[in-house]
Amino acid sequence: DQQVKQNSPSLSVQEGRISILNCDYTNSMFDYFLWYKKYPAEGPTFLISISSIKDKNEDGRFTVFLNKSAKHLSLHIVPSQPGDSAVYFCAASSLSGNQFYFGTGTSLTVIP
Amino acid sequence: DAGVIQSPRHEVTEMGQEVTLRCKPISGHDYLFWYRQTMMRGLELLIYFNNNVPIDDSGMPEDRFSAKMPNASFSTLKIQPSEPRDSAVYFCASRGLAGGYNEQFFGPGTRLTVL
Repeated sequence: DQQVKQNSPSLSVQEGRISILNCDYTNSMFDYFLWYKKYPAEGPTFLISISSIKDKNEDGRFTVFLNKSAKHLSLHIVPSQPGDSAVYFCAASSLSGNQFYFGTGTSLTVIP
Repeated sequence: DAGVIQSPRHEVTEMGQEVTLRCKPISGHDYLFWYRQTMMRGLELLIYFNNNVPIDDSGMPEDRFSAKMPNASFSTLKIQPSEPRDSAVYFCASRGLAGGYNEQFFGPGTRLTVL
């Protein structure tokens, strides 16, 4: 059973616009969330994280928002650049746990 | 540090053959994870080790899959016999105090094709 879900397999955005990637989770014990970015033929690389004590974390063009009551998080990329084209995985964990539970990924294409 | 190293990068084999995937974690990391990536299930955890000891192998799909970590710098994932449905990209990741235990560092993956 998928505990972390990314319901949009793909997303296309014009360069300079905002990209919004969404993620839902089912386990209320999760208190730490991450986004990973993956280019073809490479392994996923860490992008940004947020703990449940916050509802927003920002790093440059990337912002992650967490809505605990809805069990939903989103990644905003502003402005989007062609180099952002990749697959983005959402992951969840508990800070006391060792496993990360990953979603199925969203393939983002930023059109120049 | 060279990061997590996996070999081979690509493996093509015939059904019924034994396949061995290899991983060298980042030096000093005490957790090692094996994942399988498929379109349907995304990144699926197969097994993970802490200090070379298997902690949770509940994600290993069948007895055909086995994993070992004989020392802190090497792990293998073996499939015997392989089947076409095992075709996927297999990732190894490691995690340790140096990274604050807050992220996993992934290798480049092994793309397995079973004909």
